[in-house]
Amino acid sequence: DAKTTQPPSMDCAEGRAANLPCNHSTISGNEYVYWYRQIHSQGPQYIIHGLKNNETNEMASLIITEDRKSSTLILPHATLRDTAVYYCIVLQTGANNLFFGTGTRLTVIP
Amino acid sequence: KAGVTQTPRYLIKTRGQQVTLSCSPISGHRSVSWYQQTPGQGLQFLFEYFSETQRNKGNFPGRFSGRQFSNSRSEMNVSTLELGDSALYLCASSLSDSAYEQYFGPGTRLTVT
Repeated sequence: DAKTTQPPSMDCAEGRAANLPCNHSTISGNEYVYWYRQIHSQGPQYIIHGLKNNETNEMASLIITEDRKSSTLILPHATLRDTAVYYCIVLQTGANNLFFGTGTRLTVIP
Repeated sequence: KAGVTQTPRYLIKTRGQQVTLSCSPISGHRSVSWYQQTPGQGLQFLFEYFSETQRNKGNFPGRFSGRQFSNSRSEMNVSTLELGDSALYLCASSLSDSAYEQYFGPGTRLTVT
């Protein structure tokens, strides 16, 4: 079941921040927000996850609104290698059955 | 540390045949999940195994089955192949029952003619 809504595509200039939005208005209290990406012809790659606090790692930052109904993945300095389909996934902790949806196709433009 | 490996990488089968795909998880990982990716349906969850037990199953017919061995290696089998089974089959492993860090293999591209 689709629990998230993402724009189908976005462009971003190389070197600029890429901000990818995700709506998950029906998220419940024990569900996390995960982000994965899939670069062409490769398997998906885990990026980041969070419950209600903002998170940052070496790849990206995740900003979750206070009501947890939406989130934004931020790639601070997009490169051409960040061109991929980005998936926002809502899942209960302890569950491994990722539902990928259609994702956002991010194109980084030179 | 070696990543998730899948064999074979490419496979061509005929309708009605059966096929077995193999997945070797990252060393120490005990959970293995399988996904099917097609242009029309996108990435869909097939099933997940943890310590040789199937814990979750997606909405696929009984022709799709799998198993996991004591060394965590996993196989999936598709019997009575149909044209619609042509897809990229992806395997992912994780250390435990946490979904946040699943590591995916390169996939097996199955073509059914």
